[in-house]
Amino acid sequence: QVQLVESGGSVVQPGKSLRLSCAASGFIFNDYAMHWVRKAPGRGLEWVAVIWYDGSNENYADSVKGRFSISRDNSRKTVNLQMNSLRGEDTAVYFCARDDQRGSGPPMDIWGQGTTVIVSS
Amino acid sequence: DIVMTQSPLFLSVTPGQPASISCKSNQSLLYSDGKTYLYWYLQKPGQPPQLLMYELSTRFSGVPNRFSGSGSGTDFTLKISRVEAEDVGVYYCMQSIQLPLTFGGGTKVEIK
Repeated sequence: QVQLVESGGSVVQPGKSLRLSCAASGFIFNDYAMHWVRKAPGRGLEWVAVIWYDGSNENYADSVKGRFSISRDNSRKTVNLQMNSLRGEDTAVYFCARDDQRGSGPPMDIWGQGTTVIVSS
Repeated sequence: DIVMTQSPLFLSVTPGQPASISCKSNQSLLYSDGKTYLYWYLQKPGQPPQLLMYELSTRFSGVPNRFSGSGSGTDFTLKISRVEAEDVGVYYCMQSIQLPLTFGGGTKVEIK
């Protein structure tokens, strides 16, 4: 079945780095753009980043620009989020979600279960 | 960035009664292709968000027909004709007409 599984969440100190991964299965991965969205405690959903289906373009929220980097490996059907210079306000559950960029389907129709990042000393 | 504003923040509804959530954007979400790039998601407790409605008024696969979306341009509404216990959670509107994608602040729905 169509599935996205995130991993890599952890407790990390401010200023440190962390790499999240999202493994896809059950669909043609390289037809889809991939997003990261986060949910911080007590706050709403915040879009973080997107990478085009072929990896040719990326876009970031201002809150993470210059610190986070999204990448993908279509041969392995994975999308990654490299998070550098982490801050307390990056504490959140991070979700990956697919986007039918090459078709007519809606964005973010399938989401992973999420992985938790806690930035704390 | 497009700002999405939802109301109310909180809704307490008796089962079987209707409910309505408003979402407003500070720019039109109507694109030149005639589509309105407005979406509704529901995040149930302990779960990831799930897509309810896309392009203003199309129900996603498996979404019950008690959910409906309407509006135009900058003012949008999600309606639940008869709320059921399984509808509890936080509802978010989202726009995808331009990056960055932006969400409304959320409306928490509980059952009385």
